[in-house]
Amino acid sequence: GNSVTQMEGPVTLSEEAFLTINCTYTATGYPSLFWYVQYPGEGLQLLLKATKADDKGSNKGFEATYRKETTSFHLEKGSVQVSDSAVYFCALSSFTGANSKLTFGKGITLSVRP
Amino acid sequence: GAVVSQHPSWVICKSGTSVKIECRSLDFQATTMFWYRQFPKQSLMLMATSNEGSKATYEQGVEKDKFLINHASLTLSTLTVTSAHPEDSSFYICSASRVVIEQYFGPGTRLTVT
Repeated sequence: GNSVTQMEGPVTLSEEAFLTINCTYTATGYPSLFWYVQYPGEGLQLLLKATKADDKGSNKGFEATYRKETTSFHLEKGSVQVSDSAVYFCALSSFTGANSKLTFGKGITLSVRP
Repeated sequence: GAVVSQHPSWVICKSGTSVKIECRSLDFQATTMFWYRQFPKQSLMLMATSNEGSKATYEQGVEKDKFLINHASLTLSTLTVTSAHPEDSSFYICSASRVVIEQYFGPGTRLTVT
């Protein structure tokens, strides 16, 4: 079956540090890949996505590239801010009949210190 | 756009009672709604997928008689936890979809069964 593996957390960084959060996946076919962010007390929000190999998703300074050869979708940001503190989930979507189903990684908590 | 609400945000109930959680898409019509369960420090686990006007499709291991899902309109789905027990205590999250691969998430409902 499909699965998503994220690096273990939590991660604590100082403001303006470089961020990498690793994500690898196992899937049949050609899934779409996503990063979701969950700020404290809020629901999940789509951060970025990529729908095919070599696509790069980007939003709010975050980037991730769909690497089919390494089955990875690592999240990066060049300079993190305190406001980036949140839980980050990597996910893939697969089709089941007429619906699309999301499979999530465990999530990783990022804390950014001023 | 694409706002999803859940009500209540937090509920405590006694063991053996039933509790209903509502999920609403506020500014769009959702052809499909999903219900997830999230345990502390763990990922979201899909419980069921529901399409408006039809029976929900439950994931393996999810008791359909315990977790009743109704999707009566394009903007409302409900999850009823029947005869709740302490092990049902969890964070329940819904999402709504208007196009196949994108899901918009509600803020979640914290259920505590005493």
